[in-house]
Amino acid sequence: ILNVEQSPQSLHVQEGDSTNFTCSFPSSNFYALHWYRWETAKSPEALFVMTLNGDEKKKGRISATLNTKEGYSYLYIKGSQPEDSATYLCARPSGAGSYQLTFGKGTKLSVIP
Amino acid sequence: DTAVSQTPKYLVTQMGNDKSIKCEQNLGHDTMYWYKQDSKKFLKIMFSYNNKELIINETVPNRFSPKSPDKAHLNLHINSLELGDSAVYFCASSRTWTENNEQFFGPGTRLTVL
Repeated sequence: ILNVEQSPQSLHVQEGDSTNFTCSFPSSNFYALHWYRWETAKSPEALFVMTLNGDEKKKGRISATLNTKEGYSYLYIKGSQPEDSATYLCARPSGAGSYQLTFGKGTKLSVIP
Repeated sequence: DTAVSQTPKYLVTQMGNDKSIKCEQNLGHDTMYWYKQDSKKFLKIMFSYNNKELIINETVPNRFSPKSPDKAHLNLHINSLELGDSAVYFCASSRTWTENNEQFFGPGTRLTVL
């Protein structure tokens, strides 16, 4: 994996369903992994910044896990609601002490009422 | 209170013109950024700016130049606009210039070059 890859590209779920999607990144030279939520016609908002292998973070119904050894992070949404509809982006810094982020193309989630 | 603001929200201009987009953050952050959302909706870093140190993404044409009058502002100046410059430009800021600081984004400026 040369950069940040996210799957699936898009996802439709029924209201109340739980869902998850994946961010894959190079496992070498890992520094941090960011998750952002981007609603249509708005700007990206930070969800989590994760730095340690095995990290698990939670914000309401949204949680994320991190595996730096194998180079992936999962984002979980429990009991999806229509307001969860957004594009979820992950990003990684380009190097140690670097504040430049390389973003994935995102997973677009649509929650059907 | 708006944390990161950009003006204008929309900018329509002719090819060849010079234009600027302004960005201001009231968060007291040290680092600011400019991103371009391309036609495929992909968010790409253009510049990072921290305490007068500028890091430029090598793919950015030199027609683009950031200007920072003070720590709270990072404006984007574009010379000789081209059709391919049409995109949404986002400004962002973070507390410091380390890899684990979340970034706060402005609302974006949609630039259309005719």
